[in-house]
Amino acid sequence: NAGVTQTPKFQVLKTGQSMTLQCAQDMNHNSMYWYRQDPGMGLRLIYYSASEGTTDKGEVPNGYNVSRLNKREFSLRLESAAPSQTSVYFCASNHRRKGGYEKLFFGSGTQLSVL
Amino acid sequence: AQSVTQLGSHVSVSEGALVLLRCNYSSSVPPYLFWYVQYPNQGLQLLLKYTTGATLVKGINGFEAEFKKSETSFHLTKPSAHMSDAAEYFCAVRPYNNDMRFGAGTRLTVKP
Repeated sequence: NAGVTQTPKFQVLKTGQSMTLQCAQDMNHNSMYWYRQDPGMGLRLIYYSASEGTTDKGEVPNGYNVSRLNKREFSLRLESAAPSQTSVYFCASNHRRKGGYEKLFFGSGTQLSVL
Repeated sequence: AQSVTQLGSHVSVSEGALVLLRCNYSSSVPPYLFWYVQYPNQGLQLLLKYTTGATLVKGINGFEAEFKKSETSFHLTKPSAHMSDAAEYFCAVRPYNNDMRFGAGTRLTVKP
């Protein structure tokens, strides 16, 4: 049971380069999320997807785009990387059951440095 | 949009002492509320979740949180701290859509 798989684990970019962070979950969850984690700022929501084919902006969407092409996969794209996007990025999917049980499952994170 | 504020970026307690981590949310309608924990070099794990009903929610590892609507608070407590509780704790809020927001986190240090 792989859970949430995020790739790559580490990446170094030069300013202006583009890249896509991949995320896939095998738990049949509807909702998926992208967060960035910076010291002293907690996790900030970049984008989320409530279901296949839908995406919504979170707190800090500028400079990012996302794609939810199918239920499993939710990718995050940086079109023109900036040093301010140096961060640790986490993908998550939300498991909800009847009765109110709910839990986010997180990927292992991507450490991105933009020089 | 919903927001959540965690008071105190660092909390230090002695082993065996009470742990109190504070969380306040902004909302006109009580949302779903969560506490997550992140141990060093690990991902986040769910401690507990408030939906509706009982205002005192029990979670894993002896933690519990009390929902107080009048104070828009959801503080996390544990009666007796253990060394293994040292970690970063995050309060999170989700209204009735899927927009899940986290607070800035509180780093808990437990002194022997």
